[in-house]
Amino acid sequence: AQSVTQLDSQVPVFEEAPVELRCNYSSSVSVYLFWYVQYPNQGLQLLLKYLSGSTLVKGINGFEAEFNKSQTSFHLRKPSVHISDTAEYFCAVSKLWEYGNKLVFGAGTILRVKS
Amino acid sequence: DAGVIQSPRHEVTEMGQEVTLRCKPISGHDYLFWYRQTMMRGLELLIYFNNNVPIDDSGMPEDRFSAKMPNASFSTLKIQPSEPRDSAVYFCASSETDNYGYTFGSGTRLTVV
Repeated sequence: AQSVTQLDSQVPVFEEAPVELRCNYSSSVSVYLFWYVQYPNQGLQLLLKYLSGSTLVKGINGFEAEFNKSQTSFHLRKPSVHISDTAEYFCAVSKLWEYGNKLVFGAGTILRVKS
Repeated sequence: DAGVIQSPRHEVTEMGQEVTLRCKPISGHDYLFWYRQTMMRGLELLIYFNNNVPIDDSGMPEDRFSAKMPNASFSTLKIQPSEPRDSAVYFCASSETDNYGYTFGSGTRLTVV
């Protein structure tokens, strides 16, 4: 069965430091991959997505992610974080099921940016 | 576009009462999804619709939950009777396709006391 693993439940980091949020998925077929961000008391917002093409994907707010098929990973990175990046981040994969495609979400990683 | 609109934002109800959550998807989006988010279970897909037709309701926890989409611009999720364990944030999302990412609403925080 398709699954998405986010390796860290919480990541504390100081402001202006780089950050990497890790995501691995289990699949042997092509997939579509996504990162979402959830700010407190808000819905999920799409940060970026990989559908095909270049394995380095750039998203909003200065985030980027790299698709690595051999390692089945899709880690999210930002070279310099801000206090406003404090949020929960979800990795998701779109996978073909019996009735069509649907997103499977990871458990989430809480990014805490400290001043 | 105003995005996916959910109402109410917060709902507090007593155990045993009927609860109805509402969602207006983005115009032109053919897919609509209902999710539930809790600390213990994370994000769970409850049901999704394509062109107003329920496609997969395998995530609906039990018969107390039902969802409808009478037209392309409106969907409801009903819980009857509600129980304290139904307390969660319920999200609605819509999409043009089923694999290119979804747009989420702001959610309804349900508290059953």
